[in-house]
Amino acid sequence: KAGVTQTPRYLIKTRGQQVTLSCSPISGHRSVSWYQQTPGQGLQFLFEYFSETQRNKGNFPGRFSGRQFSNSRSEMNVSTLELGDSALYLCASGLLATNTGELFFGEGSRLTVL
Amino acid sequence: GQQVMQIPQYQHVQEGEDFTTYCNSSTTLSNIQWYKQRPGGHPVFLIQLVKSGEVKKQKRLTFQFGEAKKNSSLHITATQTTDVGTYFCAGQTQGGSEKLVFGKGTKLTVNP
Repeated sequence: KAGVTQTPRYLIKTRGQQVTLSCSPISGHRSVSWYQQTPGQGLQFLFEYFSETQRNKGNFPGRFSGRQFSNSRSEMNVSTLELGDSALYLCASGLLATNTGELFFGEGSRLTVL
Repeated sequence: GQQVMQIPQYQHVQEGEDFTTYCNSSTTLSNIQWYKQRPGGHPVFLIQLVKSGEVKKQKRLTFQFGEAKKNSSLHITATQTTDVGTYFCAGQTQGGSEKLVFGKGTKLTVNP
């Protein structure tokens, strides 16, 4: 069974640009969550989608957005990039929803903003 | 908002010594999960605790959920070099639809 796939794995952008990250969950999983991981702040919740609906949203500015498609694949977008957006962005899939069991994390997309 | 505090932030031990990390929530949790992230890797699920006072064991790892469901601990007996990594707790408040909030993790290094 394939795991959670995130693309791209690494990317470099400059301030002001925008970026789109993609996540394909484990087959059959309908829940996708996104987290930002930085050395100082740990894992910070961005948003969670379940069956194409955003169930929860973290405390991030409106520059961070996401969506989920009918096949459960999810994308997140960050517009007007800032230096502080440099981080590892992790996607996690779950069979039903976050309150019903483990999350399966992808390898992450490492974003560097110059 | 809900906060999950985890201590210590770093722990360095000699191989064979025990290790414990503690997790405290500002609010009552419906459940708590533990994850391990190896250096350069991604978080991997270890366990979920749901019941008040629950204790679960996985080989050398012992997980506890407090009676008030506001704190939890992970204890590793006789650490090995393979235990190296960052251990995260993640709590979810009552209600069932709340987001999972992660602690900042405890980074464990083991000296062989």
